[in-house]
Amino acid sequence: DTAVSQTPKYLVTQMGNDKSIKCEQNLGHDTMYWYKQDSKKFLKIMFSYNNKELIINETVPNRFSPKSPDKAHLNLHINSLELGDSAVYFCASSQASGRGSSYNEQFFGPGTRLTVL
Amino acid sequence: AQSVTQPDIHITVSEGASLELRCNYSYGATPYLFWYVQSPGQGLQLLLKYFSGDTLVQGIKGFEAEFKRSQSSFNLRKPSVHWSDAAEYFCAVGARGQNFVFGPGTRLSVLP
Repeated sequence: DTAVSQTPKYLVTQMGNDKSIKCEQNLGHDTMYWYKQDSKKFLKIMFSYNNKELIINETVPNRFSPKSPDKAHLNLHINSLELGDSAVYFCASSQASGRGSSYNEQFFGPGTRLTVL
Repeated sequence: AQSVTQPDIHITVSEGASLELRCNYSYGATPYLFWYVQSPGQGLQLLLKYFSGDTLVQGIKGFEAEFKRSQSSFNLRKPSVHWSDAAEYFCAVGARGQNFVFGPGTRLSVLP
């Protein structure tokens, strides 16, 4: 029983393409997140999404757009991929409420390694 | 805004030796503190967390951490390291109404 799952695990694509990464959680959590981990292992939050509200990190280019069809899913769509987008992207979820509240631990997916050629 | 530092980028210990990974945070209010471990090619797994109460918290895999408000620290310890503990360790701070902030991570290598 995978708590937070992501697909695909690996994604290799050409510069300029559009791609999506899917995330699903079966924990009944109401908040989901996307993180980017760069080559130096630094983790940075990109988005958090709590039912009705999407919190966007201002440093994330608008080529990145999260889409949440329902509470259990938060997909990440990336337009016009660039070399610098190569990274590992982690989805996470937590049981929290309120704007970006993070006082409960987050459960992470296995990650999607994106390589842009 | 909160911030987290992990002064040690890479630590190497011998199997069976004790371990302490340092974490310092900066936040004006009471923080919620976490330690996560990331094994190679894997996602992050929560080791332990501190919200309030006893400042010494026990986690999984024999890890513990101590919250010291006066030093703004939340160091992770383990009395005897196993080869399977080799991984990347992340300290994180959260707070109500704020997103998680992760430290830069400490890579642990274990010598046989």
